[in-house]
Amino acid sequence: QVHLVQSGPEVKRPGASVKVSCEPSGYIFTDHIVHWLRQAPGQSLEWLGWIRTTNGKTGYSKQFEDRITITRDTSASRVYMELTSLRSEDTAVYFCARPQSGSYWRFGFWGQGSLVTVSS
Amino acid sequence: DIRMTQSPSSLSASVGDRVTITCQASHDINKYLNWYQQKPGKAPMILIYDASNLETGVPSRFSGSGSGTDFSFTISSLQPEDIATYYCQQYDNVPPTFGQGTRLDIK
Repeated sequence: QVHLVQSGPEVKRPGASVKVSCEPSGYIFTDHIVHWLRQAPGQSLEWLGWIRTTNGKTGYSKQFEDRITITRDTSASRVYMELTSLRSEDTAVYFCARPQSGSYWRFGFWGQGSLVTVSS
Repeated sequence: DIRMTQSPSSLSASVGDRVTITCQASHDINKYLNWYQQKPGKAPMILIYDASNLETGVPSRFSGSGSGTDFSFTISSLQPEDIATYYCQQYDNVPPTFGQGTRLDIK
């Protein structure tokens, strides 16, 4: 059974960085890419970027490409999303998601979400 | 980025009602549209992919249709457990983008 388990909530000051982890299980880690999305309170979903777990290749939304880094640790079967220069508008639940087999963009499996609060 | 516009933004209906949500894309996205259900405090769950295909395990009362710029999502007979917010998502262009959501309540 596929599961994605994320790290816990974080509270950060404006200007700081946050690093959220995602640990997929139930499948071969390098068989699927992993995406990151976020959802601000009461808002819709926003795609941040993806990582190819085989070789670490990444793709980012242009809106975040100067502040986001997605990495993976194949020995630990974990994916990480780091967002820098945090501002209050970055307060959101951050999700990792794995697409359905044979797809890049059908977000079929999701982590439980990690709440990041940016507040002075 | 492709803008996805959902309508209505909220909807109240009775158990057993037929409910339809629409989603309009700012550009032609062929059939590259998914529908998700999200319950409070939970991650979204995909229901429909490629505009009209039901994901495995999803009840058949859910359906989707459309192509190009205009899409619809229907619940044929609303059940109490369908209370949630529903989102469309296009993936014809990167970045994939979502509609603003339709909040569905029981009347």
